[in-house]
Amino acid sequence: DAKTTQPNSMESNEEEPVHLPCNHSTISGTDYIHWYRQLPSQGPEYVIHGLTSNVNNRMASLAIAEDRKSSTLILHRATLRDAAVYYCILRDVSNFGNEKLTFGTGTRLTIIP
Amino acid sequence: SAVISQKPSRDICQRGTSLTIQCQVDSQVTMMFWYRQQPGQSLTLIATANQGSEATYESGFVIDKFPISRPNLTFSTLTVSNMSPEDSSIYLCSVARDTNTYEQYFGPGTRLTVT
Repeated sequence: DAKTTQPNSMESNEEEPVHLPCNHSTISGTDYIHWYRQLPSQGPEYVIHGLTSNVNNRMASLAIAEDRKSSTLILHRATLRDAAVYYCILRDVSNFGNEKLTFGTGTRLTIIP
Repeated sequence: SAVISQKPSRDICQRGTSLTIQCQVDSQVTMMFWYRQQPGQSLTLIATANQGSEATYESGFVIDKFPISRPNLTFSTLTVSNMSPEDSSIYLCSVARDTNTYEQYFGPGTRLTVT
């Protein structure tokens, strides 16, 4: 599986935008970029995913570099509830039924009130 | 979405014993997975639970240590056998509603402490 690299930790002030980077220089053409987050004492939850184009949903935006070797998860207005570990994951869809997720170490996001 | 419950939510067990963790989903799903999260670490996939056949284990995990059952499309169990303190972890069940879907749903986890 292609590997992702994320900063171990980041801090942001409440009500400000947060940009969480992810490097995936060995990404293949069939790799989707997924983001999950894990709130304290909970299982991970899906945030967003994309292939080539930037994506927006109610939780966040995903900006994907033109060469696809990096991406950025954007939380437009961080709240205290966004404090979590954020995981950037590549999933190869070329294998039918390959749903398994390979979690890296993620970025621990701290929100400062 | 899918609502997933796990039982027990936590347990403290003695070494050498076994514990069976249950995962129940509120609707039928195609794929179910079991993950382990050791203290302060990320998640590691143990196996894919296949309905009606043997689970598919990841490298480093074996059926004798982590037997898995999946009798239907809404239920699975993971047994941690002959436990040692190194098995102290959070065990999480996750599901994907269909193959090649983009979203997995995770249960709240079972926190296991082995003394």
